[in-house]
Amino acid sequence: NAGVTQTPKFQVLKTGQSMTLQCAQDMNHNSMYWYRQDPGMGLRLIYYSASEGTTDKGEVPNGYNVSRLNKREFSLRLESAAPSQTSVYFCASSQTSGGVGEQFFGPGTRLTVL
Amino acid sequence: ELKVEQNPLFLSMQEGKNYTIYCNYSTTSDRLYWYRQDPGKSLESLFVLLSNGAVKQEGRLMASLDTKARLSTLHITAAVHDLSATYFCAVAVQTGANNLFFGTGTRLTVIP
Repeated sequence: NAGVTQTPKFQVLKTGQSMTLQCAQDMNHNSMYWYRQDPGMGLRLIYYSASEGTTDKGEVPNGYNVSRLNKREFSLRLESAAPSQTSVYFCASSQTSGGVGEQFFGPGTRLTVL
Repeated sequence: ELKVEQNPLFLSMQEGKNYTIYCNYSTTSDRLYWYRQDPGKSLESLFVLLSNGAVKQEGRLMASLDTKARLSTLHITAAVHDLSATYFCAVAVQTGANNLFFGTGTRLTVIP
């Protein structure tokens, strides 16, 4: 099992450019999440998807959109990147029905917006 | 607004010493998680604490949860260099997806 995978690992954008971060999990989990991690801070939730076909805003959703493509895949889109979106982005998944809700994290995408 | 506070934020300790990291949170929750993060790496799950009084141990690390005090501790016994990392606690909020709110982390450095 690969667990949670993310692409790309690194990305540099110019202000105003758009991009999509991809995430996939092979653990048959029902819930998926996108976080950002800034220096000196913990992880902050951007968006989450409790189950296939649903998405909801987290703590810091402004400037982002998400798509739960199917049970395995959850993508994060930046429509017009800003320097404030320079961060490390983590995708996670968990089994929230019948499980302990433990989240498993992908390796992260390090994004720099110039 | 939910707050999750960890202290200390930075911890430098000698090998062989004991220390405790504290995690306080401001809302009712009966689920708390501890994660470890090595520099430039992802988060690795350490402990899942699911009820008041829960205690879990793995090697030199022991975690406990007091839901009435809204406090969790991560105790390090006889620290070794390999434990150097950043440790995060995360509190679960039931929104249909078991959302987690993370503390700011404790950066632990164990000095040989």
